Amino acid sequence: AQRVTQPEKLLSVFKGAPVELKCNYSYSGSPELFWYVQYSRQRLQLLLRHISRESIKGFTADLNKGETSFHLKKPFAQEEGSAMYYCALSGNDYKLSFGAGTTVTVRA
Amino acid sequence: ETGVTQSPTHLIKTRGQQVTLRCSSQSGHNTVSWYQQALGQGPQFIFQYYREEENGRGNFPPRFSGLQFPNYSSELNVNALELDDSALYLCASSLPTSGGYTQYFGPGTRLTVL
Repeated sequence: AQRVTQPEKLLSVFKGAPVELKCNYSYSGSPELFWYVQYSRQRLQLLLRHISRESIKGFTADLNKGETSFHLKKPFAQEEGSAMYYCALSGNDYKLSFGAGTTVTVRA
Repeated sequence: ETGVTQSPTHLIKTRGQQVTLRCSSQSGHNTVSWYQQALGQGPQFIFQYYREEENGRGNFPPRFSGLQFPNYSSELNVNALELDDSALYLCASSLPTSGGYTQYFGPGTRLTVL
């Protein structure tokens, strides 16, 4: 079975402060991990995909297989970063399993 | 290149009725997945279609069914609606390659069952 846990429902940070969103997963094989973001009144969109190792909008995420984690990080929070963030996992069957999401509020 | 579109945007039905939701995939994408997102939760996988055949299903009863058409548009049908079916329904299209694939989501259809 595949499972994604995002332990923080809400996260409030000040503009310019570092941001870290936690994600832990459970999967018996080699998963593919994603972060999706949903801004207010917009559709779910891909933020980053671990296999491509891209950095989008200053976000990075490292897959730690020992700790089964895929935490999302950004060194300096920006006000436009206020959104809902979802961690997701895809196994051999390509279906996406999502965490419950973390609502991030960036305060001025 | 056009993105994923869904219709209708909102829908209100009563318990026991049937509903059909529609999705138009991103150009060139031959795979579509459907998800249910209840309030305050992450999307839950319903099923996936690849080249008009069901290619995987989540923990949803048979009253949730789907179709994919030759132009890769698709439908989600739900029979005998229950109150708990109230949710945002998302479709996502993708084009599998040897390097895996990324799913691109539509804006969703908000279904309310009274």
